[in-house]
Amino acid sequence: QVQLLQSGAEMRKPGASVKVSCKASGYPFTGYEIHWVRQAPGQRLEWMGWINPNNGKTKYSQKFQGRVTMAVDSSISTVYMDLSRLTSDDTATYYCARDQRAVWFDPWGQGTLVTVSS
Amino acid sequence: EIVLTQSPGTLSLSPGERATLSCRASQSISRSYLAWYQQKPGQAPRLLIFGAVSRATGIPDRFSGSGSGTDFTLTISRLEPEDFAVYYCQQYGSSPPYTFGQGTKLEIK
Repeated sequence: QVQLLQSGAEMRKPGASVKVSCKASGYPFTGYEIHWVRQAPGQRLEWMGWINPNNGKTKYSQKFQGRVTMAVDSSISTVYMDLSRLTSDDTATYYCARDQRAVWFDPWGQGTLVTVSS
Repeated sequence: EIVLTQSPGTLSLSPGERATLSCRASQSISRSYLAWYQQKPGQAPRLLIFGAVSRATGIPDRFSGSGSGTDFTLTISRLEPEDFAVYYCQQYGSSPPYTFGQGTKLEIK
C-alpha cells in the first residue's frame, strides 16, 4: 500500500537546523510531488512547500523562503526537508504528504515532532 | 491569502446523531479545490472528501460533503464512536497556494 515513513523526533537549540526525511513506498515515486505541512501546538496546519521527485523542482511558501530547503534522493525514494535558523516558533509536528492533482494531500506521513528549546 | 473559518470550534454529540460541520472561505473558491481531513490524536490527517463532494477511497458513505462559493459543509449522517476526532477543511488557491481551517473538534457528549 502507499506509505510515507518519516524520520524520528528531533530536538534542537535555537539557531540550529533540522533535517527531516520522508521515505515513500507502494507507488511510482517520481510520479507525485511531495508536500511538507507543519502543525504547531494549538495552531492550524500550515503548508511549507513541495518538491517534484522527478526533477527536483521545488516551490516554497513565502513564509519559509530562505529558511527551507527540500531535496530528493530518488535512488532510495526519499525526500528531505531542511529548516534552518530555528526558533521556538518552529516547534511543531512536520508532515510529508503526497500530492493529489495539485489540490489535496493523500496519504500523509506519520509526522515528525521537532522541538526547539534552549 | 484565502482564510478558512470553521464552525463550531467544538461540537458535542452522541453516537448515532448527525453532525454538521461548516467551513467558510474569505473569498469564493472552486468546489474542485476544497478538501476535508480527519485527524485523531497522535495521528496524521486523513483525507475524507476532495472536490468538495467526492469521498476518498475507503471512506464510509455516512460522510458527505457539499457547498460552493464560500460556504462548504461536511456532514456525518450517523456518528460512530470512531468518528470523534478533529476535522479540517483545506483549499487550494494562491499565495500561499494551500491553506487550512482552524479545525472543528467533534467530541462525545
